[in-house]
Amino acid sequence: AQKITQTQPGMFVQEKEAVTLDCTYDTSDQSYGLFWYKQPSSGEMIFLIYQGSYDEQNATEGRYSLNFQKARKSANLVISASQLGDSAMYFCAMIFTGTASKLTFGTGTRLQVTL
Amino acid sequence: GAGVSQSPSNKVTEKGKDVELRCDPISGHTALYWYRQRLGQGLEFLIYFQGNSAPDKSGLPSDRFSAERTGESVSTLTIQRTQQEDSAVYLCASSFRLAGDNEQFFGPGTRLTVL
Repeated sequence: AQKITQTQPGMFVQEKEAVTLDCTYDTSDQSYGLFWYKQPSSGEMIFLIYQGSYDEQNATEGRYSLNFQKARKSANLVISASQLGDSAMYFCAMIFTGTASKLTFGTGTRLQVTL
Repeated sequence: GAGVSQSPSNKVTEKGKDVELRCDPISGHTALYWYRQRLGQGLEFLIYFQGNSAPDKSGLPSDRFSAERTGESVSTLTIQRTQQEDSAVYLCASSFRLAGDNEQFFGPGTRLTVL
């Protein structure tokens, strides 16, 4: 079965520090996509970054980068220079070729940025 | 342009009543998705539409759940004979096309409370 695992229910980071949020996945598919979404307390889901399984370079979007290690089946999100506004739930999600565009989500990591 | 909108934003109903949740996707987006998020959990995929067609309904939790989409725009998710376990936030998303690398844009959700 295809599964996304986020092992960190909660993380703390000091403002201006970098933080890594873990995500591992289990699939036998060769073609898939990886997403990270941010969900603030207001509830909306905000797209952060995307990585295709065949992309040779790690994706980057501003302060967000995705540390993609295909052999280890991990897709960790790195947030550099954390800001107070980064405090939110972060969800790792994946699309597998056998499920059209259905996103399968992990259970999320709650990030709290402190002064 | 306008994002994905959902109505109502909050719905409180009594057990056994039927409810209808509405989603207006971004104009021009052919693909539409429904997810459910129970309190403190990740998103659970329910159903997707490509145009007006829903090829896979296996994600719907029970036969009390149904969804339709008309005119390749608005979609409604109907829950009949609501149960307390149906209480959750129901999120709708849309994307330009049904493909793994397409970002899904989420609406603000409908918070359903079944008393």
